[in-house]
Order: sequence, then C-alpha cells, then structure tokens
Amino acid sequence: ETGVTQSPTHLIKTRGQQVTLRCSSQSGHNTVSWYQQALGQGPQFIFQYYREEENGRGNFPPRFSGLQFPNYSSELNVNALELDDSALYLCASRPIGGDTEAFFGQGTRLTVV
Amino acid sequence: QKEVEQNSGPLSVPEGAIASLNCTYSDRVSQSFFWYRQYSGKSPELIMSIYSNGDKEDGRFTAQLNKASQYVSLLIRDSQPSDSATYLCAVVGATAGNNRKLIWGLGTSLAVNP
Repeated sequence: ETGVTQSPTHLIKTRGQQVTLRCSSQSGHNTVSWYQQALGQGPQFIFQYYREEENGRGNFPPRFSGLQFPNYSSELNVNALELDDSALYLCASRPIGGDTEAFFGQGTRLTVV
Repeated sequence: QKEVEQNSGPLSVPEGAIASLNCTYSDRVSQSFFWYRQYSGKSPELIMSIYSNGDKEDGRFTAQLNKASQYVSLLIRDSQPSDSATYLCAVVGATAGNNRKLIWGLGTSLAVNP
C-alpha cells in the first residue's frame, strides 16, 4: 500500500471520446508524474506537476493534458482518444526532497475500442 | 540507441540460484539509478536505488553501478518463485531544480522455476 490512489481502475472508451483519470498522492508529496505503459513496454513519461504547474513533459501530443490541485491530487485528461492510447496509466508521487518517484498508484487500465 | 537498454528476456533461473539483470544507459551525466519490480497487471515497486559506483546490498538484492561503463546491474541471490516478475531499470539524468523525470528500460522478465 503506497498511499497513492488512482481512479478508476479500469475504463473502456470509444475512439474519439475524452477521458479523465485521477490520482490522489500520498500526504506530503508535492510532485506528481504520469506515465503510459503499453503492453510489454516500460513506462513512458507523459508529464510532471510540481506545486500545481507542469514542469516537465515527455513526447506526447497536446491532447494529453493535466492538472494538479492545491491538495496535490492530479488529473490526466486525454482528448480525441485513439486506439493506440490503450494502455496502463500510472501516477507516481514523490516526497518533498525525495530523489525519485518512489510511490506508484495501482494504475488505470484504459481500453479504447 | 535507446536511452536505457535492458535484455527483454525471459531470463529463467532455478530456485535458489543467482539471477543477474543488466542495464545500460546512454546519458553520461546520469546521477541516480533505480530498479523496480513489476508483477503482471500491477504497478512498479521500487526495490533498489544506487547513486555511487560500487555495490549496494539490501537483503537478497545487490545493485552494482559502474558509471565509467554506463552500466547498472541487479543481482538476486537465493531466487524464489515469488521473484518471478518484470524488472525495470530507471535512470534520472542531469536535473534542473525539481524538474526530474525517470527514463525507463523496457524491462527484463524473470522466471524462477521451483
């Protein structure tokens, strides 16, 4: 149990739809990162939020966007879903002064049909 | 060249043997190195971190880092069937302020046979 909670755990969407995934980070963690993990691949960095601002982004198109709230919880939004967006989406939070995202949520399995 | 490379496996070892997992990285200024374990359908779990050249031991796990060769490894002694999982290598490069991100390898699948 890491204290990082993601919702929902599973989701099925139709191509072209929009989706919002949520993450509640562990108390005291002010940095949240989102990753996409396709089947058989390592996690790919989408973006990172620190104190409610995006402060790092991977190679993902603008239809992937996010928010971080004052309580450090976070959302990942994906517009115009494509079949290739089907993946496990992982949220990870880092403690203040920590050196890495040591704590992951259980992930959201998104299937686009 | 991929930024972080691992053999995909599967690596198969008998119970009680030593499992050796390897990872190479391309960014010479990388500072921090991590091994995560991921069971099928689950999220990654941090098992070891290493920052300095040499060995770091934690129970049955030993991480080895050689920055000159850009190489980091994970040894699992007395392997157990419960160690069967995918092991992911992750590297943090040079940082600016709090803007850190992990670069991941594709993972090595380990199977420990009873």
